[in-house]
Amino acid sequence: DQQVKQNSPSLSVQEGRISILNCDYTNSMFDYFLWYKKYPAEGPTFLISISSIKDKNEDGRFTVFLNKSAKHLSLHIVPSQPGDSAVYFCAASGRAGAGSYQLTFGKGTKLSVIP
Amino acid sequence: EADIYQTPRYLVIGTGKKITLECSQTMGHDKMYWYQQDPGMELHLIHYSYGVNSTEKGDLSSESTVSRIRTEHFPLTLESARPSHTSQYLCASSDDVEPQHFGDGTRLSIL
Repeated sequence: DQQVKQNSPSLSVQEGRISILNCDYTNSMFDYFLWYKKYPAEGPTFLISISSIKDKNEDGRFTVFLNKSAKHLSLHIVPSQPGDSAVYFCAASGRAGAGSYQLTFGKGTKLSVIP
Repeated sequence: EADIYQTPRYLVIGTGKKITLECSQTMGHDKMYWYQQDPGMELHLIHYSYGVNSTEKGDLSSESTVSRIRTEHFPLTLESARPSHTSQYLCASSDDVEPQHFGDGTRLSIL
């Protein structure tokens, strides 16, 4: 059973507009959430993260929102640029045991920003 | 620039061969990880290490094995490759839970 779900496999957005990527999780033990960006033939690159004690974290054009009660987080990209076209993975971290630092990933959302 | 290196980037090989996928990092990270990813699917953790001589199996069962003799090196070995092992293998490292830093992966095809 998937613990981290990205229900939109793909998203197309016009350049300059807002991109909103969504992620839902089921495990209430998750306490840290990350977004990774992946270009073809490259490994995932860390983008932004948020702790469960916050509901918002902003870094330049990227903002992540966390709604703990709904077990939902979203990544906002404003304004979207063609270089943002990539697959975005949502990941969650929780302590499965002492010293455990495993990440659980969603299946990713492919964002296409149209010039 | 890459601080974590995976070789080879692509490998096509016949069934029954022994394969070692290399992963090295120059950041001095204690923690290293191997993930397996099929197209359009999530990354699944198959092995991780918290330091030298420490290795653990991840969530996804894998016939591969790993070793951690040096901090910077975390190779993954398949003793006898099968077509079911065809996948992308991603190595990562970190000095804490977030964020993990990934290599560019090895795309493995077993004929």
